[in-house]
Amino acid sequence: DGGITQSPKYLFRKEGQNVTLSCEQNLNHDAMYWYRQDPGQGLRLIYYSQIVNDFQKGDIAEGYSVSREKKESFPLTVTSAQKNPTAFYLCASSIGGQGSNEQFFGPGTRLTVL
Amino acid sequence: AQSVTQLGSHVSVSEGALVLLRCNYSSSVPPYLFWYVQYPNQGLQLLLKYTTGATLVKGINGFEAEFKKSETSFHLTKPSAHMSDAAEYFCAVRGSGGYNKLIFGAGTRLAVHP
Repeated sequence: DGGITQSPKYLFRKEGQNVTLSCEQNLNHDAMYWYRQDPGQGLRLIYYSQIVNDFQKGDIAEGYSVSREKKESFPLTVTSAQKNPTAFYLCASSIGGQGSNEQFFGPGTRLTVL
Repeated sequence: AQSVTQLGSHVSVSEGALVLLRCNYSSSVPPYLFWYVQYPNQGLQLLLKYTTGATLVKGINGFEAEFKKSETSFHLTKPSAHMSDAAEYFCAVRGSGGYNKLIFGAGTRLAVHP
């Protein structure tokens, strides 16, 4: 089955700790994305990558970092610099980074800061 | 700049009644428009999309949407609601800037009661 997997599903972090969220896809998609979802605010783009070894900041990149060393993997690190990290995080991918290609979403990771 | 407004954060209908979820957009480029559905604690699933051509777009689960350029709208409808339609629905428009960025509305939570 082709798709996007995110792990873990639930994650708890103490204040001041960095944490890494995993995103893997076997769809052979070039482009990958990370979104943050907060109640009543829709989805906001954190980072995106159109190709391996390249990525760009989205609208709310402060306090986050990413890497794209492999086509199928796009991990997101939530650093201690992120002031309000408790949220639902969604990873997505698309065939290419242009035009009308729809994005396919993973099941999400819910991060809670204790 | 692109933006999406979804009128009504909560909509409640009876089973068997018409579902109408409203979406208005603004876009400086020809719009590509999307509707996604999200069930609790899950990722987003594409319902339908409009790129070019026919303005009435049919999607999965009996949903359809009509692109009206003069009204800058892309409302989602379904003739007869099922209990299983209860979920959150997001309208999105392609962003500008040469890559596949999506701008999401804040979402509409649909409740279906017997």
